[in-house]
Amino acid sequence: GQSLEQPSEVTAVEGAIVQINCTYQTSGFYGLSWYQQHDGGAPTFLSYNALDGLEETGRFSSFLSRSDSYGYLLLQELQMKDSASYFCAVRGFSGNTPLVFGKGTRLSVIA
Amino acid sequence: NAGVMQNPRHLVRRRGQEARLRCSPMKGHSHVYWYRQLPEEGLKFMVYLQKENIIDESGMPKERFSAEFPKEGPSILRIQQVVRGDSAAYFCASSSGQLTLYFGPGTRLTVL
Repeated sequence: GQSLEQPSEVTAVEGAIVQINCTYQTSGFYGLSWYQQHDGGAPTFLSYNALDGLEETGRFSSFLSRSDSYGYLLLQELQMKDSASYFCAVRGFSGNTPLVFGKGTRLSVIA
Repeated sequence: NAGVMQNPRHLVRRRGQEARLRCSPMKGHSHVYWYRQLPEEGLKFMVYLQKENIIDESGMPKERFSAEFPKEGPSILRIQQVVRGDSAAYFCASSSGQLTLYFGPGTRLTVL
């Protein structure tokens, strides 16, 4: 099976940079994904890493180290609208296995 | 291109009643996933379906819960004889077989 660990809460100041870490255990690995969910909303896809290294998409970047079973989501130039929950997720052996989510990190951006 | 649609958005049931949750995937998507989310918690996988087939139901409770994705029409998650512990947000997601999931707005089920 799969399990993921991420901090439950993070608070950061508007304009700053924040890093949300995720460690995982899985019997097979088919990539690490990140999703964002605002209160009362649906999860939306942010990024996906299949290989080691950094993927950048605008203000958001995601990093993966397969040897360490570790990844992180980096949010730069934080805005108030970034206040949300962020979930890391992994698949097992193949793309046909379901996505398993961590419990989420609640990010609060303060002025 | 319409996104994933779920209805109803809110559903109230009394204990012992049945709840039917519907999900229409994005156009062109034949893979449907159901997840349950309790307040302040993550998304827990329930079932993965492709057209007319259940691929993985390892997250489904053994009793009272069932899911289908018929050849025509939406995917249905059915909960029989609901109990208060079934109160949660139920999200449906679809994909084309690629790795990204697209989530619907969810159905908030409240059991009185």
